[in-house]
Amino acid sequence: EDQVTQSPEALRLQEGESSSLNCSYTVSGLRGLFWYRQDPGKGPEFLFTLYSAGEEKEKERLKATLTKKESFLHITAPKPEDSATYLCAVQAGNYGGSQGNLIFGKGTKLSVKP
Amino acid sequence: DAGVIQSPRHEVTEMGQEVTLRCKPISGHDYLFWYRQTMMRGLELLIYFNNNVPIDDSGMPEDRFSAKMPNASFSTLKIQPSEPRDSAVYFCASSLGKGKGQPQHFGDGTRLSIL
Repeated sequence: EDQVTQSPEALRLQEGESSSLNCSYTVSGLRGLFWYRQDPGKGPEFLFTLYSAGEEKEKERLKATLTKKESFLHITAPKPEDSATYLCAVQAGNYGGSQGNLIFGKGTKLSVKP
Repeated sequence: DAGVIQSPRHEVTEMGQEVTLRCKPISGHDYLFWYRQTMMRGLELLIYFNNNVPIDDSGMPEDRFSAKMPNASFSTLKIQPSEPRDSAVYFCASSLGKGKGQPQHFGDGTRLSIL
């Protein structure tokens, strides 16, 4: 069964304290791994797509990396405005109507204190 | 550019009442998805449409739930009759294609409370 597990559930950082969020997955034929950011009362906002092991993508203080079993979202010198829930999703490669569907983890809630 | 638009943003109603949630996808997007988000289960796909046609409704929890897409710019998710366990945030998302790595773009959701 396709599955996505994110850890930790919650993370508190001081401003400037770098850290990483983890996304472990099992999926039949990975077509893509997505990172989204979700602010309170808002919908998920797309950040990155990663396709294959070894790939990396960066945006401001965020860098996403991918291996065959997990992805990391590295946050360098975070600021309070980086506080949000970060969601990871995998795109299934199985056939039929569910092909290409996104399977989401439950997210990591990040709080950055000034 | 306008993103995915959902209405209402909040809905509070009593058990047994009919609830209708609305969604306007991004113009030009040919896929539309309905999700439900709860603390316990996270984001779950309920149903999706391609070119206004329902393709996969295996995530719809019960016959009380139904969804329609009468045209490319409008979709509804209806719950009749509603129950307290239906309380959740419901999101609509759209995408241009469903190919490898194609991201979905989400609206800001409808927070539904069934009393």
